Amino acid sequence: AQRVTQPEKLLSVFKGAPVELKCNYSYSGSPELFWYVQYSRQRLQLLLRHISRESIKGFTADLNKGETSFHLKKPFAQEEDSAMYYCALLPLEYGNKLVFGAGTILRVKS
Amino acid sequence: EPEVTQTPSHQVTQMGQEVILRCVPISNHLYFYWYRQILGQKVEFLVSFYNNEISEKSEIFDDQFSVERPDGSNFTLKIRSTKLEDSAMYFCASGGGPNRAEQFFGPGTRLTVL
Repeated sequence: AQRVTQPEKLLSVFKGAPVELKCNYSYSGSPELFWYVQYSRQRLQLLLRHISRESIKGFTADLNKGETSFHLKKPFAQEEDSAMYYCALLPLEYGNKLVFGAGTILRVKS
Repeated sequence: EPEVTQTPSHQVTQMGQEVILRCVPISNHLYFYWYRQILGQKVEFLVSFYNNEISEKSEIFDDQFSVERPDGSNFTLKIRSTKLEDSAMYFCASGGGPNRAEQFFGPGTRLTVL
């Protein structure tokens, strides 16, 4: 079975502090991993995906197959980063359905 | 930039009534999806639709649910006889443009069953 675990419901940091949102997955095949973000009163939008290896809004995420993790990191948090962050897995051998984690609320305090 | 749109934003209905949730996917996309999120829970996959037929569905997507692409632009989710536990946010998504695996989400419809 495919599963995504985000252990923290809420992560609260001060502006300028580093951020790490944790994501672990369970999947025996070759996964494709994503981070989606939902700002207040807005839709879910793709933040980044592991195959693109981009840095978006200062965020990066590296797929670690040994640890089955895909943690989201940013060296210096900004207030506008406050949002709900969802890690998601696309189990490619099983079609196109996304499997989501429970989400982590990131709150950046000034 | 094109976006997925959904109507209505909020639907209130009585238990046992039929509801139709509407979505307009991004125009050149080929894959369409419905997800739902019960308050306080994870976003869950319901169904995917490609080439005018269901390509995959979850255990949640039982005989009470159906999907349709009636006119080449809209994509609808029908719940035949709503139950209290159908109360949730329903998200439509579309994908299959240049990058098949990326899915673009609509703003959601909040369904409240009384």
